[in-house]
Amino acid sequence: QVQLQQWGAGLLKPSETLSLTCAVYDGSFTGYYWSWIRQPPGKGLEWIAEINHGGSTNYNPSLRSRVTLSVDTSKKQFSLRLSSVTAADTAVYYCARDLDDSGAYRGIFHIWGQGTVVTVSS
Amino acid sequence: EIVLTQSPATLSLSPGERATLSCRASQSVNIHLAWYQQKPGQAPRLLIYDAANRATGIPARFSGSGSGTDFTLTISSLEPEDFAVYYCQQRSYWPPSFGPGTKVEIK
Repeated sequence: QVQLQQWGAGLLKPSETLSLTCAVYDGSFTGYYWSWIRQPPGKGLEWIAEINHGGSTNYNPSLRSRVTLSVDTSKKQFSLRLSSVTAADTAVYYCARDLDDSGAYRGIFHIWGQGTVVTVSS
Repeated sequence: EIVLTQSPATLSLSPGERATLSCRASQSVNIHLAWYQQKPGQAPRLLIYDAANRATGIPARFSGSGSGTDFTLTISSLEPEDFAVYYCQQRSYWPPSFGPGTKVEIK
C-alpha cells in the first residue's frame, strides 16, 4: 500500500522560508500529480499547489508568488518551499496524491502524508 | 474561486441515527465533488468522489448524492468511529477548494 512520509522544519521565524519534503513509498511516482495542502489551527483545508513527475506545476493564485515546488524522481520525492512566512502561514501541512494516474481524477486527494506542524513565531 | 458552504456547522446525533450533511457550491461543479472525514490529529480520509462514488474500503453506510450546486453526504447509521469532521471539496474549477466542514458530534 502506497505511503507518503513527509518532513521539514517545524518552527520558523517571520520572513524565513518554509521547506518540506514528501517521499513516496511502495508505489509508483510517475503518472500522478502530487499536492500540498495546509490546515491552520482549528480551521479548514487550503490547497497550495501540485506537481507531477515531469515537473509540471499548478499553484493556488493566493500563494503563487511565494511557492516553489520541485521533484526528485530518482528518490520519489517532491518538495515545497514557501518564502517570507508570517504567522498566517502557521498550519499543519500535508502532502497528498491524486486518486489515480489516469488524469481523469486530478484533484481527488486519495493518499495523504501524516502532516507536519509548522509554527511561525518570533 | 468556487466557494463551498456546508450545513449544519455541527450535527449532534446518537449512534445508530442517520446523518445528513449538505454542501452547496457557489456555482455548478457538475459532479466533481468529494467528501472527506477527518478525526483529531489525523489527515483527512477520502470517503466519496465525483459526488456518489465510494473510495476503496469505505463502508456502505456512507453514500453521496447530488450534482450541480447541491450535494449530500448520508451516513445511514452512525457508528462510534464516525464522529468526526466532514469536508466537501470541489475539483471542477482550479484551484480545488474545500468547504468549512461539518462536525458530527455525539449527542
